[in-house]
Parts: sequence; C-alpha cells; structure tokens
Amino acid sequence: SQTIHQWPATLVQPVGSPLSLECTVEGTSNPNLYWYRQAAGRGLQLLFYSVGIGQISSEVPQNLSASRPQDRQFILSSKKLLLSDSGFYLCAWIPQADYGYTFGSGTRLTVV
Amino acid sequence: KQEVTQIPAALSVPEGENLVLNCSFTDSAIYNLQWFRQDPGKGLTSLLLIQSSQREQTSGRLNASLDKSSGRSTLYIAASQPGDSATYLCAVGGIQGAQKLVFGQGTRLTINP
Repeated sequence: SQTIHQWPATLVQPVGSPLSLECTVEGTSNPNLYWYRQAAGRGLQLLFYSVGIGQISSEVPQNLSASRPQDRQFILSSKKLLLSDSGFYLCAWIPQADYGYTFGSGTRLTVV
Repeated sequence: KQEVTQIPAALSVPEGENLVLNCSFTDSAIYNLQWFRQDPGKGLTSLLLIQSSQREQTSGRLNASLDKSSGRSTLYIAASQPGDSATYLCAVGGIQGAQKLVFGQGTRLTINP
C-alpha cells in the first residue's frame, strides 16, 4: 500500500538553530513531492516541489531549502531559523498524473 | 495567477441539515480540483477529487460538483453529523507542470448536536 511518513510531529527550536524535517513515501516510484506551510490563521502555501531525485523547485524566496536525496525522500532544511519560520509544515505527494494529493500528518514547528 | 476563494469562512448548523460549501477560482484552465478536510492540529484528509473533464464526484454523504466555465465548485454534505465538524479546504490543481495545488482559505464547519 502507499503511505507517507512525516516526522517529527512537533518541534520547538530556538532562533538561529538549524532545522531538518523529513518526509518519506512508501509503495510508489518517482512520485511528485511537495512541501507546504500553514501559518497561524493563514492558508496553505506551497514552498517547494520535486518531480525527481535532485530536482527541486522553490515557490517563494525564504530562509528554507529542500533536498531530495532519494526517490521517495524529501527533506526540508534551514541553517538558521527565524521566528517567522514558525508554522505547520505538511509534506504531500502524488504518484502520477490524474491522482489526487495525499498529505502527511504534518510537523508543528515553533521557533522561540 | 490562480486565486481560490471559499465562502462562507465559517458555518454553524444543527445536526441533520444538508449543507453546501462553495469554492470559486479565477483561472478556468485547471487540471483538477480536490476537496480536503482538516481537523484541528491535524493534516489534510482527501475527500473528493474531480478531474477537469468531470462534472461531479460522490463519496457516501458527500457530493462535489465542478463547473469549470464559471470557475465554481460546491461540496454538498447530506444529513450532517457532529463528526463532520472540521475545516474544509478546496484546492485547484494547475495544468502547468507538477500539478501544484492552490488552496482556498477554508470553511470552518460546526455541526451542533
């Protein structure tokens, strides 16, 4: 079966610290992968997407970066967190065209 | 640039009522449209996916329609239950590569027992 794993579920980090959030997908090959952020009281914003290993597209300029070292692994990183990076981060995937999105359970990041 | 609007922002109804949530989008050149449910503090659960060539999809008490020419979709919930209380999000998939989704702000639904 096809599943998506995202961790950690909750994270509290000080300003200036690094960040690494991981997302993995099982049961499919060469999926499209996405990172979205949902800030408090705001809608979901697409941050990065990837259509293949090593292929990363950024949607908005920001303090974050993404990488796809393996076919089914998508990582969101930051070298130095800002207060404005706080939010709910969601990983999502689609196996191929004509399929809907499946989202992970999310990571709630609080930068203090 | 695609923009997605959901009306109303919040809705509170008594249990058992049928209700309609609305979604509108500005660019009719879409690949598909997906409705999600989000419980407080949780991720998104997909409810229904409508391809651009389709007019509606049904799952249990849920029915979603799509009118591309007018840029509208509706989610119909029949015989609402307290367990239906959640935020409902509409998202439009673009036809430009990677099927990026553009989300509305959501409708927060409360079903009162």
